[in-house]
Amino acid sequence: RKEVEQDPGPFNVPEGATVAFNCTYSNSASQSFFWYRQDCRKEPKLLMSVYSSGNEDGRFTAQLNRASQYISLLIRDSKLSDSATYLCVVMDSSYKLIFGSGTRLLVRP
Amino acid sequence: ETGVTQSPTHLIKTRGQQVTLRCSSQSGHNTVSWYQQALGQGPQFIFQYYREEENGRGNFPPRFSGLQFPNYSSELNVNALELDDSALYLCASSLDSNQPQHFGDGTRLSIL
Repeated sequence: RKEVEQDPGPFNVPEGATVAFNCTYSNSASQSFFWYRQDCRKEPKLLMSVYSSGNEDGRFTAQLNRASQYISLLIRDSKLSDSATYLCVVMDSSYKLIFGSGTRLLVRP
Repeated sequence: ETGVTQSPTHLIKTRGQQVTLRCSSQSGHNTVSWYQQALGQGPQFIFQYYREEENGRGNFPPRFSGLQFPNYSSELNVNALELDDSALYLCASSLDSNQPQHFGDGTRLSIL
C-alpha cells in the first residue's frame, strides 16, 4: 500500500465548476500536510498547508481529518489556469516529504 | 529574494558514468532536500541536509550521495548511472527542517 494515495484522474471540468480532490495517508504519526501544484514539466509549487481546523485561500479550501487520515482540497469557480497536477504531500516525523502520485485536473472553456 | 536554483537544467549521460547536480538554496534557508521524480509519479525523497549534515535518507542505494556546503548550497552525486536513473531531480530548500519546502526548477537527467 502506498503511503499517500490519490485518485490519478484526470478530472475534466468546465470553467466555473467546483471540484474536490481527496487523499489518504497511512502513517498516523505524520506531522504536517500540504497541497502542491505541478504544471507539466515544471517543479512542484506549494499551494497551501493543511490544518485540522480547515483553511481557505481564495477559491481553495483544504481540510484534514486526522482520525480518518484523510486530506481534501476544494477548488471553487475553476479557471483555465487551474489545469495542473495536484500533489497531496505529507511530512513524516523525520521531516521527510512523502508525495502522492498526483491528481490531474483539466479545466475546459 | 532569490529562489532555489538548480544546474544544469538538462543533462544526458550514458550508463556507468557519474553525474553531479547542483542546488543553491533560497536565501536564509538552512535545509536542502533532494527528490527524484520519474514520469507520471510523485517526487521520491532521496535525502535531506540540515546545516551540512545528512538529516534523513530515503530508499536509494549508496551510489546516490550528497553534501551541503557552509553557504547551504548542495550537490547530489550519482555514480554508476543506470537507465532507471533517468528522471527529473528536484532540490527543495526550507527555513528549517520542519518548514514547508520550496522547489527549484529541477534537472532533467537522461541516461542512454
